Amino acid sequence: QVQLVQSGAEVKKAGASVKVSCKVSGYTLTELSMHWVRQAPGKGLEWMGGFDPEDGETIYAQKFQGRLTMTEDTSTDTAYMELSSLRSEDTAVYYCATERPAAGRGWFDPWGQGTLVSVSS
Amino acid sequence: DIQMTQSPSTLSASVGDRVTITCRASQTISSWLAWYQQKPGKAPKLLIYKASSLESGVPSRFSGSGSGTEFTLTISSLQPDDFATYYCQQYNSYPWTFGQGTKVEIK
Repeated sequence: QVQLVQSGAEVKKAGASVKVSCKVSGYTLTELSMHWVRQAPGKGLEWMGGFDPEDGETIYAQKFQGRLTMTEDTSTDTAYMELSSLRSEDTAVYYCATERPAAGRGWFDPWGQGTLVSVSS
Repeated sequence: DIQMTQSPSTLSASVGDRVTITCRASQTISSWLAWYQQKPGKAPKLLIYKASSLESGVPSRFSGSGSGTEFTLTISSLQPDDFATYYCQQYNSYPWTFGQGTKVEIK
C-alpha cells in the first residue's frame, strides 16, 4: 500500500522560496507518477504539475512556469516541490498526490497529508 | 484549459436521501473523470475514476456516470459519514483541472 508523508508547515516571507518534501513508502518512486496540488484557505483544488511517464517529462501548469520546480530523489523515494518568488496568494495547503501508472493514468490515489505554507508580506 | 463546473455549489440533505452532484466540462473529456471526497482538514480521497469505476473500499452507495461533457456523482442513501465536499477532476488533457467543489451539508 502506498503511503505519502509530507514535511511540516512552513512560514515564509514574500519573495522567498519554499521546498516541500513527500516521502514514499510501500512502493518505489519509480513505480509512481507524482503530482502536486494546492488548496488556498477555503478554496478548491488546483493542480500545479506532475510527472508524465509516457513522455518522461515533468509537466507544469502554465501559471507556475518559471517559479515551480519538481524534483525526485529515487535513492530515498522522496519527491520535492519548490516554489520561488512567493507572494501572499501562494498561502495554501500543498499536497503531493500520486498516480499509479500500472493501475491506470490520471486519478490520484493516495494523497499526502498536506503541508501548510504561509506567506507573509 | 478545460473548465469543470459543478452544481450545486452547496447541497442540504438528510440522512437517507438520494443525492446527485453534476459536473460539466467545457469540452469533451470522454470518460477521463475522477471524483473525490474531502473532509475538513483532510486530504481528498478518491471515490470514482474513469467516470464510473468505483475505487476499491469505497461503499457501493457511491456511483458515477456520464461521458463527454456531463457527469454525475450519486449517493444512493446519504450516511452521516458522507457530509463533506466533493470534487470532480478531468484528466483528458493538461492542465488537469478540478471543479470548484460541492459541499454536502446536513439539512
